[in-house]
Amino acid sequence: QSALTQPRSVSGSPGQSVTISCTGTSSDVGGYNYVSWYQQHPGKAPKLMIYDVSKRPSGVPDRFSGSKSGDTASLTISGLQAEDEADYYCCSYAGSYTFYVFGTGTEVTVL
Amino acid sequence: QVQLQESGPGLVKPSETLSLTCSVSGGSINNYYWSWIRQPPGKGLEWIGFIFYSGTTNYNPSLKSRVTISIDTSKNQFSLKLNSVTAADTAVYYCARSYIVASSSWGYWGQGTLVTVSS
Repeated sequence: QSALTQPRSVSGSPGQSVTISCTGTSSDVGGYNYVSWYQQHPGKAPKLMIYDVSKRPSGVPDRFSGSKSGDTASLTISGLQAEDEADYYCCSYAGSYTFYVFGTGTEVTVL
Repeated sequence: QVQLQESGPGLVKPSETLSLTCSVSGGSINNYYWSWIRQPPGKGLEWIGFIFYSGTTNYNPSLKSRVTISIDTSKNQFSLKLNSVTAADTAVYYCARSYIVASSSWGYWGQGTLVTVSS
């Protein structure tokens, strides 16, 4: 099972919106509504930002939103803030043999 | 607020067994899925496997032949054993809990522990 494909990096100015894509296959992203997104600051543990494609855990700002179309999921950060600068990983359920596959990771830079 | 803490040796020799324990505080280990996830230095995340509080396990197919995850509900702990390690197993190892009972996402993480495989 290959890792899900994410852009290596995206950037934006404060207040702008950025979108991170996460491309898989019909066996993972396209086959299930179980995509999650994690934010990871350097030296820290990942933090859950979105689960089940578009649900936000309590405490996560509504600037973060998730969606899916076909085999590609997306995370959008609206009103970009300095503290959003981090690495972001998607993850998808991939069936009862592989179970979970992560994305390759995207570095978000706030200009 | 539930908290997770990994513990175990930070250095393991090649061909030996990596053993880590995750201690859970602030909540019961019952009714959730408990996972191990690792991250090689400078690289991405890799799911290793999970255990349900009942003892049901599932593992990453690429690691399945070398991995065992167990749980001790009386101690509120679960553990990872990875045998026949090589340098490729050098990574930060995280333990994590499902966000909600039947969730396919991890809402609670330990701080991670670096395990280096070297002679």
